[in-house]
Amino acid sequence: QKEVEQDPGPLSVPEGAIVSLNCTYSNSAFQYFMWYRQYSRKGPELLMYTYSSGNKEDGRFTAQVDKSSKYISLFIRDSQPSDSATYLCARMNNNDMRFGAGTRLTVKP
Amino acid sequence: NAGVTQTPKFRVLKTGQSMTLLCAQDMNHEYMYWYRQDPGMGLRLIHYSVGEGTTAKGEVPDGYNVSRLKKQNFLLGLESAAPSQTSVYFCASSYSTRPQFFGPGTRLTVL
Repeated sequence: QKEVEQDPGPLSVPEGAIVSLNCTYSNSAFQYFMWYRQYSRKGPELLMYTYSSGNKEDGRFTAQVDKSSKYISLFIRDSQPSDSATYLCARMNNNDMRFGAGTRLTVKP
Repeated sequence: NAGVTQTPKFRVLKTGQSMTLLCAQDMNHEYMYWYRQDPGMGLRLIHYSVGEGTTAKGEVPDGYNVSRLKKQNFLLGLESAAPSQTSVYFCASSYSTRPQFFGPGTRLTVL
């Protein structure tokens, strides 16, 4: 079992929809949880990170961590075609960073 | 401010050939990392460095070597390339153990 599990999708939604992306993790030791966005044939781009349970909001994006159930989520409000990308979740503990396999999202105009 | 850059962008090797991938960062980060990304596997850490002159093994180090002679550069070497090393390689850097910033990647094909 991978340390960080992520549904690979693909996920297709209409423009303006609320998107929910989810990951589960198995190792309770962590410093940060991160969400990266990766456009096709590009490097991952850091979207958000959090080091505690609860919600963190940045514009249309909200990251949520539930340590009791070992579940992390990324919500995208008012999704746009420019949000079409692969979203990677990651858990970091000191230098040990483990990634999910990524969820491919397509937002259709 | 270029961030993290990688050289080359693409490379095709024959089995048994050697090559070096170069990563450079201009953010004065202490920590640098090399990852490979394969379909369905996500990103996996090959080697990392916590400062000039230091290196350490990650999750999948076999077949690779690294060197960090200068703070801003981190080199990844393949001594004898194998088809299983066909992948996209990403370099990343960070300030201490904080979230990492990634380069644009190097696409390597080993025939």
